[in-house]
Amino acid sequence: DVKVTQSSRYLVKRTGEKVFLECVQDMDHENMFWYRQDPGLGLRLIYFSYDVKMKEKGDIPEGYSVSREKKERFSLILESASTNQTSMYLCASSLLDAEAFFGQGTRLTVV
Amino acid sequence: AQTVTQSQPEMSVQEAETVTLSCTYDTSENNYYLFWYKQPPSRQMILVIRQEAYKQQNATENRFSVNFQKAAKSFSLKISDSQLGDTAMYFCAFMKLPTLGRLYFGRGTQLTVWP
Repeated sequence: DVKVTQSSRYLVKRTGEKVFLECVQDMDHENMFWYRQDPGLGLRLIYFSYDVKMKEKGDIPEGYSVSREKKERFSLILESASTNQTSMYLCASSLLDAEAFFGQGTRLTVV
Repeated sequence: AQTVTQSQPEMSVQEAETVTLSCTYDTSENNYYLFWYKQPPSRQMILVIRQEAYKQQNATENRFSVNFQKAAKSFSLKISDSQLGDTAMYFCAFMKLPTLGRLYFGRGTQLTVWP
């Protein structure tokens, strides 16, 4: 089975902190994604990556950056966390033209 | 741009009954996939069913089936013999082909199955 693992299920950070959310997949998938989930808004794409060191902006990239130094690992970075970034963050991976597999989510609270 | 609309924020059904969740989408693409994902309280997103747009036959997975109407851009999910474990948030999602795999999601429908 494909496994996508996010480093934390719950995270509490202070405003202004630099925050790293880590995601690792074990199935050699080319594509990896970071989505943000908010009640009533569904999932919105922040960034995605189709290869090592390659990245593309999604629909809501402002305030975020990403890093993909190895194929299996995709990191989401909040350069200076703000309260409006309190949310659920979901990582996913996929092969080309195939369905996505998701991690268990990280619920981030910025205080 | 692709948009996916789920018009039912919440639904409920009694155990063993049948329920249908609605989804419509807007696209100018001709080749695409449609998905239903389930997110139970554990938060783990699970793929329920997939439909390829080029296939006329509706996809079926055990108690889950879809009614795919390409011309109407409609993609509903029918759950038969509902079980308590079906309680979850259900998301409809669209993926165009060829693609780098990004999904466009609806806002979700919270389904509650009660005894």
